[in-house]
Order: sequence, then structure tokens, then C-alpha cells
Amino acid sequence: NAGVTQTPKFQVLKTGQSMTLQCAQDMNHEYMSWYRQDPGMGLRLIHYSVGAGITDQGEVPNGYNVSRSTTEDFPLRLLSAAPSQTSVYFCASRATGENTEAFFGQGTRLTVV
Amino acid sequence: AQSVTQLGSHVSVSEGALVLLRCNYSSSVPPYLFWYVQYPNQGLQLLLKYTTGATLVKGINGFEAEFKKSETSFHLTKPSAHMSDAAEYFCAVSATSGNTGKLIFGQGTTLQVKP
Repeated sequence: NAGVTQTPKFQVLKTGQSMTLQCAQDMNHEYMSWYRQDPGMGLRLIHYSVGAGITDQGEVPNGYNVSRSTTEDFPLRLLSAAPSQTSVYFCASRATGENTEAFFGQGTRLTVV
Repeated sequence: AQSVTQLGSHVSVSEGALVLLRCNYSSSVPPYLFWYVQYPNQGLQLLLKYTTGATLVKGINGFEAEFKKSETSFHLTKPSAHMSDAAEYFCAVSATSGNTGKLIFGQGTTLQVKP
């Protein structure tokens, strides 16, 4: 059982380049989320989804797009990378219900130069 | 709005000493609370969670947390620290407004364990 799988693990981009961070889960969870982690700032929610075809913005959505065409996949797109997007990105999934735990991927460390 | 505050961004203890990591929450409804641990260069994994029922919750690796409604706290403790406990710890509350699946995280506490 793989859980939540993120690819790539590491990435270096030049300013202005675009890329997609991949996230897949095999637990049939309806809820999926993307967070970024920066020193001293905890985890900040970028975008989230409550099911296939439904996405919404979190607290720091600017510069990122998402889509949810299937239950399993929730890719995060950086449209035009900026140095401020240098961060560690985590994807998470949860079963429905407020008392369920979130399962996290191993993270993607992104550097924008 | 719900929020989580972790007091102390860095905590340092000696091996064998008590570990106490503080978490206070703000919620207008009974909260669902979680503690996660993040080892270096890894994702977050669940230590324990409080949903309903017993207020003292036991988790993995000897950690436990007590839900105190009167103090709006959910502090994490371990009687005796091991070197392997060195990690970053996050407290989180489940958002209860709307069907969003969101977790609201504190800013994290880095635990250092000295030999």
C-alpha cells in the first residue's frame, strides 16, 4: 500500500519556468491538499479538494493552479516560478470526516533560482 | 475562526528527561486535535489524535497528550526523551466549518535531544 506518492523529490527551476508537482494516493480518499513548508511558518495551505472535479483556494494560492480529474491524482502547477516559491511542498489526503487523520507524501524540495 | 498556537519554536532536553511540547487551540466547537512528527527530510506522520471520549490520548513511540477544554490546550508529553525523538512536531486542529477537509497547523516546535 503506497499511501501518498509525490514526484519529484527534488527540483531546481529557473525563474519564469513552469512545472507540475505530481501527487497520487491509493486510499480512495476524497480530501486532498497541497501545503508549503517554510522555516518558522509551519505548513500553509495552498489549494485543496473535497472530491474529483472540486477544488478551492487555501491561504497562499497565488502562483499555483490545481485540478482534480480523478479521486487519485491532485497535481500542483507552478505557472511561472519565482524565487519566493522556493519551499518544501507536501501533498496530503484524508478520508471524509473531521476526525480523520491526514496522510502525507514525502515532500518535494523546490528551489527557484 | 479556528487556530493553533505552539509555544516555543525550539525545545531542548537532555536524553532521559521529560519532553513537554505545548499546544493551545482556538475553536468555538468541540475540536478534533492532532499531533504530527516530521523527521529530517521526511513527510509528516501521525503521533496521536483526540476526537471524543478519553481526554488522555496515547500515541506511538511513548508519546501522549491530554485534552484540557478549560485551558484550550493539547500538550504533548513523553516521560523520557530518546535521541531518536529529535524532530519537528506539529499540532493541528480539524476545520469544522463546511466540508473542506482542512487541517489548521501550528508553526511547529523543533525538539533537540542532547546526550
